[in-house]
Amino acid sequence: GAGVSQSPSNKVTEKGKDVELRCDPISGHTALYWYRQRLGQGLEFLIYFQGNSAPDKSGLPSDRFSAERTGESVSTLTIQRTQQEDSAVYLCASSPNSATNEKLFFGSGTQLSVL
Amino acid sequence: GENVEQHPSTLSVQEGDSAVIKCTYSDSASNYFPWYKQELGKGPQLIIDIRSNVGEKKDQRIAVTLNKTAKHFSLHITETQPEDSAVYFCAATLLHGKLTFGQGTILTVHP
Repeated sequence: GAGVSQSPSNKVTEKGKDVELRCDPISGHTALYWYRQRLGQGLEFLIYFQGNSAPDKSGLPSDRFSAERTGESVSTLTIQRTQQEDSAVYLCASSPNSATNEKLFFGSGTQLSVL
Repeated sequence: GENVEQHPSTLSVQEGDSAVIKCTYSDSASNYFPWYKQELGKGPQLIIDIRSNVGEKKDQRIAVTLNKTAKHFSLHITETQPEDSAVYFCAATLLHGKLTFGQGTILTVHP
């Protein structure tokens, strides 16, 4: 596809369950980012990948959150033992080259609801 | 770390009027300032950006100004149209794409 693709678009889960969110970046984009957007608020940085490495994980809120990227392509954000405060839209973005602050292209996000 | 403040939180204008959204940032080392438009149910879309070596940039009805001394930058939309209605976010960054976002402005353009 032409843009950043995220799946699922919506996820409802019960407190304590694990969830996996997927991101397919634009082909050829070396940098990939995860952000979180709580209702009515701005975006919070979570983690950044350059290739398959994550040089900056400083935004991950707790050790329940982890992410990986394989093949310099698909990335998965995993939240273990979900809590109600994890409810938010999780946005993925990619860019051609992080070193030059290239433009970020965002997906439509995954709306996560923890009951 | 960087902190970005954005005002106003809501803005209502009549079609054809101008709209101005303002942001301030805290880290004088920040060097890249993008603006994003987010429509309901969609991810943010970059509409214009400016780097710290430029004071102003214009793209058709949209312009951004940057005052490095005062550490603030503004988005100007002229001749607003109903399809401009959306949430607008400013952001600032020094490193890679680790953007720090403002809280957003809900712009409503009334026909």
